[in-house]
Amino acid sequence: KAGVTQTPRYLIKTRGQQVTLSCSPISGHRSVSWYQQTPGQGLQFLFEYFSETQRNKGNFPGRFSGRQFSNSRSEMNVSTLELGDSALYLCASSLGQGAGYEQYFGPGTRLTVT
Amino acid sequence: QKEVEQNSGPLSVPEGAIASLNCTYSDRVSQSFFWYRQYSGKSPELIMSIYSNGDKEDGRFTAQLNKASQYVSLLIRDSQPSDSATYLCAVNIYSNYQLIWGAGTKLIIKP
Repeated sequence: KAGVTQTPRYLIKTRGQQVTLSCSPISGHRSVSWYQQTPGQGLQFLFEYFSETQRNKGNFPGRFSGRQFSNSRSEMNVSTLELGDSALYLCASSLGQGAGYEQYFGPGTRLTVT
Repeated sequence: QKEVEQNSGPLSVPEGAIASLNCTYSDRVSQSFFWYRQYSGKSPELIMSIYSNGDKEDGRFTAQLNKASQYVSLLIRDSQPSDSATYLCAVNIYSNYQLIWGAGTKLIIKP
């Protein structure tokens, strides 16, 4: 069974631009969670999507948004990029909604904002 | 107090020995606990989940959960240099909808 895929793997953007990241979950998994990982803050939860609806959201500004499609693929968008948005963005898929399910991570998208 | 705490390390263990990694958490009603391994520059990889008090074994890995004392640990038997990585503990805190992650313990296995 194929794992979680994320595109692109690397991205360089300029302050003020916007970016869209894509995540395809493991076949049969209906939940996709997004995380930001930085050396200083560790893994921080952004949001979770299940059945095309955002089910839970972390403590990030509204510049961070996402959506999920009927095939469970998910996209994350960051608008008006700031230098502090430079990070590894990870998505994780799981069978069901919520923190009780095992989550499987994709390889991540490394975003650099200059 | 952080919601999920891990010793940042590095924890240095000789090859072939048992590596013991610990994680404490603040929510007495947490139900789900996970251990992940993350190699430098890679994404986290699930090692094991544990939901009930006691031990759960999978190959060289054993997770131990003690809800009364609010800690979960991971033992790695017969440690190998390939086990050198950062180990992340994740716990559901206050609700069933979000995992809270520890900062991770860096483990170094010395040949």
